[in-house]
Amino acid sequence: SAVISQKPSRDICQRGTSLTIQCQVDSQVTMMFWYRQQPGQSLTLIATANQGSEATYESGFVIDKFPISRPNLTFSTLTVSNMSPEDSSIYLCSVATASYEQYFGPGTRLTVT
Amino acid sequence: QKEVEQDPGPLSVPEGAIVSLNCTYSNSAFQYFMWYRQYSRKGPELLMYTYSSGNKEDGRFTAQVDKSSKYISLFIRDSQPSDSATYLCAMKRGSTLGRLYFGRGTQLTVWP
Repeated sequence: SAVISQKPSRDICQRGTSLTIQCQVDSQVTMMFWYRQQPGQSLTLIATANQGSEATYESGFVIDKFPISRPNLTFSTLTVSNMSPEDSSIYLCSVATASYEQYFGPGTRLTVT
Repeated sequence: QKEVEQDPGPLSVPEGAIVSLNCTYSNSAFQYFMWYRQYSRKGPELLMYTYSSGNKEDGRFTAQVDKSSKYISLFIRDSQPSDSATYLCAMKRGSTLGRLYFGRGTQLTVWP
């Protein structure tokens, strides 16, 4: 398994500002994923982040809005830029270990006012 | 049509009941099937995993996959109040490191 921590656990931000969310894993992993979960909804994949390459974004998500860094095999950041109330959500970091297993962090609860 | 369909519930059962949670999917390329449990204000926790068709049992939990019907199930025996959570099904294609496709999640409450 993998133990994942995220910072911050929650934040309240004003519209127009940016927030950077950090994800730390206790072991080296090849692939890291960033998801968004809106209230009462399922998980929506934002992007896949591989170390040493550009992140791959899903339809509807763009790098200018959600820049991602992956400087090494245990760490990644997701920035939510120029925030609006529609960005209020839970942001989850996830990692894929060898074989099929995919684990999630505790999430970052973001409220934009 | 969404690739993964899951009835969001809510589902409410008495302690000790057998719970059946289900998902259907449309993409026949899915080969790996998971169930996650998510407690309120927590991240999803990997509960069960099944590859291709078949059954897998782990304590009170049994996962079933019927690829011919594109239907997966999670059974919880002797349900406990601590099982109260949202259960999400997830699946992915052949690549073991590929992305997951999630259902909406079913909210389960087990009352004592």
